[in-house]
Amino acid sequence: DAKTTQPTSMDCAEGRAANLPCNHSTISGNEYVYWYRQIHSQGPQYIIHGLKNNETNEMASLIITEDRKSSTLILPHATLRDTAVYYCIVRVEDSGYALNFGKGTSLLVTP
Amino acid sequence: GAVVSQHPSWVICKSGTSVKIECRSLDFQATTMFWYRQFPKQSLMLMATSNEGSKATYEQGVEKDKFLINHASLTLSTLTVTSAHPEDSSFYICSARDPLVSQHFGDGTRLSIL
Repeated sequence: DAKTTQPTSMDCAEGRAANLPCNHSTISGNEYVYWYRQIHSQGPQYIIHGLKNNETNEMASLIITEDRKSSTLILPHATLRDTAVYYCIVRVEDSGYALNFGKGTSLLVTP
Repeated sequence: GAVVSQHPSWVICKSGTSVKIECRSLDFQATTMFWYRQFPKQSLMLMATSNEGSKATYEQGVEKDKFLINHASLTLSTLTVTSAHPEDSSFYICSARDPLVSQHFGDGTRLSIL
């Protein structure tokens, strides 16, 4: 799996959009960008994934640059419950292998 | 959606005892389950891959005789920490792979060895 780089931590005010960046300059053509998050003392939760087109679901939006070397996860209206560690993972879609979690970004949503 | 149940969620025990953690897929069959370990303020680290009906595959540095994994059915994998010591205290998380090859995580087991 290609390596990813994320900021260690970020803050966001409640109700504002949280934009979490991820660099993956060595991504291969068949690798997708996955986002998971882990709320304190819980297991990881899948958020969204994409190949090259922007994706949106009920939780978040994923914006992938045209060269696919970076992406941004957007939580449009952050709430206190969105405080978590967010992991950006690059891998072949549903390869069936274990996920390789990096250090992630610790997002703190403040009142 | 797919649900993975992990039990117990929290356990404290004395040094030298063995602890069993269960991971169940509640609404799908999982031929493969994964066990991760997470120390405070660190990321999840894969310990082993558990395949139903066969021996688990352990990551480098993980002692197979200490962390016994059994995957006897398509809905249950167990991790037994044998002769646990304080350094084994950690957050243990399992995930199960569904037939569509998506992974679903349990809520973890916090193990504290006194």
